[in-house]
Amino acid sequence: DAGVTQSPTHLIKTRGQHVTLRCSPISGHKSVSWYQQVLGQGPQFIFQYYEKEERGRGNFPDRFSARQFPNYSSELNVNALLLGDSALYLCASSPLPGEEKLFFGSGTQLSVL
Amino acid sequence: AQSVSQHNHHVILSEAASLELGCNYSYGGTVNLFWYVQYPGQHLQLLLKYFSGDPLVKGIKGFEAEFIKSKFSFNLRKPSVQWSDTAEYFCAVNAGDNQGGKLIFGQGTELSVKP
Repeated sequence: DAGVTQSPTHLIKTRGQHVTLRCSPISGHKSVSWYQQVLGQGPQFIFQYYEKEERGRGNFPDRFSARQFPNYSSELNVNALLLGDSALYLCASSPLPGEEKLFFGSGTQLSVL
Repeated sequence: AQSVSQHNHHVILSEAASLELGCNYSYGGTVNLFWYVQYPGQHLQLLLKYFSGDPLVKGIKGFEAEFIKSKFSFNLRKPSVQWSDTAEYFCAVNAGDNQGGKLIFGQGTELSVKP
């Protein structure tokens, strides 16, 4: 079975640009969460989506947005990129939003120059 | 606000040595506690979890963790480490009120095991 897949694996952008990151959950998983992991730190929660609805949001500015599609895949969008947005962006899926075990993808490494 | 603190950033051990990684959290209510592991070149995966009941929980690959409510701690232990345990270990917590997808992670502990 395929795990959580994320694309692209690496991305280089310049300040002020916007970026879209994509995530396909494990088949049958309806909940998707996004995390940001800055080098040397643990992942930080950004969003959780379930059935196309936002179920939770972390302490991130409005430049960050996300959505979930009918097939449960998800996109994370970041506008007006800053140098500090450089990080590994992780997607995690679970069958339901209340499920405690998350399955993580390998992430998208975003570098903002 | 919830927070998680891991005491050690980098731990170096020889094979067969015993391991204990510290984790403390701050949250006054019911919590669920986790240890995740990231092996080199791999994605994060669940090592073990505590929801309720026996405060000593056992996970994969011989790892165990003990929840001590009075100390707000959830330390990870293994009696005898192997070279293959080299990885980064993350302690995480969420509020026990259906916040399954929203984990608060510690900063991680990198474990290096020398053969």
